[in-house]
Amino acid sequence: ILNVEQSPQSLHVQEGDSTNFTCSFPSSNFYALHWYRWETAKSPEALFVMTLNGDEKKKGRISATLNTKEGYSYLYIKGSQPEDSATYLCAFLDNAGKSTFGDGTTLTVKP
Amino acid sequence: NAGVTQTPKFRVLKTGQSMTLLCAQDMNHEYMYWYRQDPGMGLRLIHYSVGEGTTAKGEVPDGYNVSRLKKQNFLLGLESAAPSQTSVYFCASARGHQPQHFGDGTRLSIL
Repeated sequence: ILNVEQSPQSLHVQEGDSTNFTCSFPSSNFYALHWYRWETAKSPEALFVMTLNGDEKKKGRISATLNTKEGYSYLYIKGSQPEDSATYLCAFLDNAGKSTFGDGTTLTVKP
Repeated sequence: NAGVTQTPKFRVLKTGQSMTLLCAQDMNHEYMYWYRQDPGMGLRLIHYSVGEGTTAKGEVPDGYNVSRLKKQNFLLGLESAAPSQTSVYFCASARGHQPQHFGDGTRLSIL
C-alpha cells in the first residue's frame, strides 16, 4: 500500500494569514501529483497537475511546488480568505494509472 | 455536457443484498476510478480501469467487483452487502495524467 501523507490534518487561521500544507509521496514510479479542493457536499475540484521535478504552479493566491526526488509537494495560500475554507487533497499517480489520495488537510479561515 | 454521472444518488440496502452502481462519462476518458469516502478519511481507491475491457484492484477491493465493457461506463458491484460497506462512493474519470473529473457521489447505507 502506497503511503501518501498530508500534514497538518487540520488548520485554523485568521483571514489574511498565509499558510502552507505538505503532501509526501513515494519517490518511485512517479507519474503525476494532483492537488484538489474539496468543499462539503460537493465533489473534489482540481487545482493543479504537477508532473516534473521542480514544477511550480500558481492560480491566483494559491501556488504549489513539487520535488519528486525527495517525494514531497507544498501547497501555499497567500492572504487566506473565508472562501478558501475547504479540504485540500493531494493525489499521487503512478505510471500504471493507479491513483492514491492523501487524507487531506482541512483549512478553516476565520473572518 | 453531463461530465461524470453516477446512478443512483442514494440507496439503502439490507445486509446480504446485492446491487450495482453505475458511472457514466461523456468525455471519452480512458481512465476511470471508483473510490469510497468514510468520515475522517480521504478517498480510498476500490478499483480502477485504464481502458475498455481492463480493470485493476486499488487499496480496498475486497467485497467489490467492477466491469468496464464500454469505454464510457464503469460499474461497481456489491455481491453481498455488509454494514462495513456503508459509505459515500465517488466515481472519477481522467485522460492520462490530467486531473480527475468526479461524479456527485452515491450515498449507500447498509442495514
